[in-house]
Amino acid sequence: EAGVTQSPRYAVLQEGQAVSFWCDPISGHDTLYWYQQPRDQGPQLLVYFRDEAVIDNSQLPSDRFSAVRPKGTNSTLKIQSAKQGDTATYLCASSLEGNTEVFFGKGTRLTVV
Amino acid sequence: AQKVTQTQTSISVMEKTTVTMDCVYETQDSSYFLFWYKQTASGEIVFLIRQDSYKKENATVGHYSLNFQKPKSSIGLIITATQIEDSAVYFCAMRQTGFASALTFGSGTKVIVLP
Repeated sequence: EAGVTQSPRYAVLQEGQAVSFWCDPISGHDTLYWYQQPRDQGPQLLVYFRDEAVIDNSQLPSDRFSAVRPKGTNSTLKIQSAKQGDTATYLCASSLEGNTEVFFGKGTRLTVV
Repeated sequence: AQKVTQTQTSISVMEKTTVTMDCVYETQDSSYFLFWYKQTASGEIVFLIRQDSYKKENATVGHYSLNFQKPKSSIGLIITATQIEDSAVYFCAMRQTGFASALTFGSGTKVIVLP
């Protein structure tokens, strides 16, 4: 069974540039999560979906961050006008409703200079 | 809102000995799950072990076991017979039971296993 796939693995931007991260969850998983993990900190939830619906995006900086999951499968997280404070690893995870385990992708390491 | 706190930032232990990590949590939920995850040097996050809040018995998986003290809102991780490959960052996390809930993580404890 393929795991959670993320791309790209690395990204380096200048402040003000835009970037998109892509996530392919485990086949059949209905719940998809995006986490931000700054260096030497724990993952912090940005947004999560059940199927195509947003369940909670309260931690998503809405002025510059957006996330979609239009068909309830793959998802894209986009940062408009990146700032140095966005430097972090962005993790995608998925799970199946009724199953407690959450599976993580390898993450995208973003550096904003 | 849930909160998870890990106060130990780094622990060094000798190979083949036991290491214990602390975690305390806050929640208003009556039913919840508690987890420990391991993040390797490559950044991969791997599930290790889970404790269901309604279970009194401490969970055990391989050389990982938990010390669940519900009155203290505490869930410690114990790794016995440590190996070099146990060197990693360990995260405590929790989520409420029920519909599509998300994990809340602590800040992590780095474990260094010395030969």
